[in-house]
Amino acid sequence: DSGVTQTPKHLITATGQRVTLRCSPRSGDLSVYWYQQSLDQGLQFLIQYYNGEERAKGNILERFSAQQFPDLHSELNLSSLELGDSALYFCASSVDGSYEQYFGPGTRLTVT
Amino acid sequence: QQPVQSPQAVILREGEDAVINCSSSKALYSVHWYRQKHGEAPVFLMILLKGGEQKGHDKISASFNEKKQQSSLYLTASQLSYSGTYFCGTEGADDYKLSFGAGTTVTVRA
Repeated sequence: DSGVTQTPKHLITATGQRVTLRCSPRSGDLSVYWYQQSLDQGLQFLIQYYNGEERAKGNILERFSAQQFPDLHSELNLSSLELGDSALYFCASSVDGSYEQYFGPGTRLTVT
Repeated sequence: QQPVQSPQAVILREGEDAVINCSSSKALYSVHWYRQKHGEAPVFLMILLKGGEQKGHDKISASFNEKKQQSSLYLTASQLSYSGTYFCGTEGADDYKLSFGAGTTVTVRA
């Protein structure tokens, strides 16, 4: 158990819908990262927040957005969902950048 | 840019050694190594910062050549528990993004 929690574990939704994935980092960790893992794309970095502020952006689509709240939990919002958005979404946390990241169990999103 | 890992897959017998390579086209600040078992989340193995240091975790060690922007992960006297997909993550010298390679699948057989 890494100490990072993610909800929900599984999510099945239809194309065009909007979903919110939630992540609670390890106690004391200020950085939260979001990753997308699909079979053909590997582990793709989406976005990083540090203490409530966006720090780095990766290959995150405009239809996706994220935020980190004052209690440090984070949410990833995915809208206008397409079949290709089906993937495993991981949240990870660390003390700060350049430190080891601890991954949550992931949320498996299936878009039908 | 995504780092390049090689080989894509390797099959070992218990006790054998293997090397996984990771190379980047950009200047690096750090290299991270993670292992992911099927159906599980990636688990941190080690991080190497620029300076060419080498680290070890049990019989798994790694090196980082910042001049060549390359890192290698060494699996020594492999055990069944070493099976999984190994990912290297590289952090650029001028950004905070961690880009992961496509992964190397390691299968250790008895």
